Amino acid sequence: GAGVSQTPSNKVTEKGKYVELRCDPISGHTALYWYRQSLGQGPEFLIYFQGTGAADDSGLPNDRFFAVRPEGSVSTLKIQRTERGDSAVYLCASSSGYQETQYFGPGTRLLVL
Amino acid sequence: AQTVTQSQPEMSVQEAETVTLSCTYDTSESDYYLFWYKQPPSRQMILVIRQEAYKQQNATENRFSVNFQKAAKSFSLKISDSQLGDAAMYFCAYHPGGKLIFGQGTELSVKP
Repeated sequence: GAGVSQTPSNKVTEKGKYVELRCDPISGHTALYWYRQSLGQGPEFLIYFQGTGAADDSGLPNDRFFAVRPEGSVSTLKIQRTERGDSAVYLCASSSGYQETQYFGPGTRLLVL
Repeated sequence: AQTVTQSQPEMSVQEAETVTLSCTYDTSESDYYLFWYKQPPSRQMILVIRQEAYKQQNATENRFSVNFQKAAKSFSLKISDSQLGDAAMYFCAYHPGGKLIFGQGTELSVKP
């Protein structure tokens, strides 16, 4: 595609529920990244994929967070047993390589009630 | 630890004037990249400019330029001839490869 797309744009859920956030990277980009941005803060790294494998998942806050990229293109960020503190904007980015410029999607705003 | 600091939470500039946003970073690496991203209220992060650490020449993109001081670990952004559309949050980011490490951001307002 022309740019990185993310769905849904907004997601409202209740505490304890499971959510999935989707990211569709720029066509041909092998690297895909997830970041979390809390209100008034800069984005914080969660996980980075090179192809289908997670090359760096050091930013995942706990085992409730999990991400997959089974075919090396679309990625899904999965959050189990959501907590109010998970409320944030989740940003996805892609790049053509490890040290190349990252291009961002519009983000998914998650609100946990 | 690798950190990025933006010491100006808010800045204001008159339309058509010049403004400089500050950024410092901490790293022991010698090979890395630095970026400025712009985030308007739509929340889409937009690339403004990129600097390779091995290049001594400061990057320039139209009205946007940087002052990169590697020894001082400083990377400021200069916006010339400011326009109303420049109003946004600006984030400085350090990139050793893989993840980006962002600063806290500077909110820029442009007065007509």
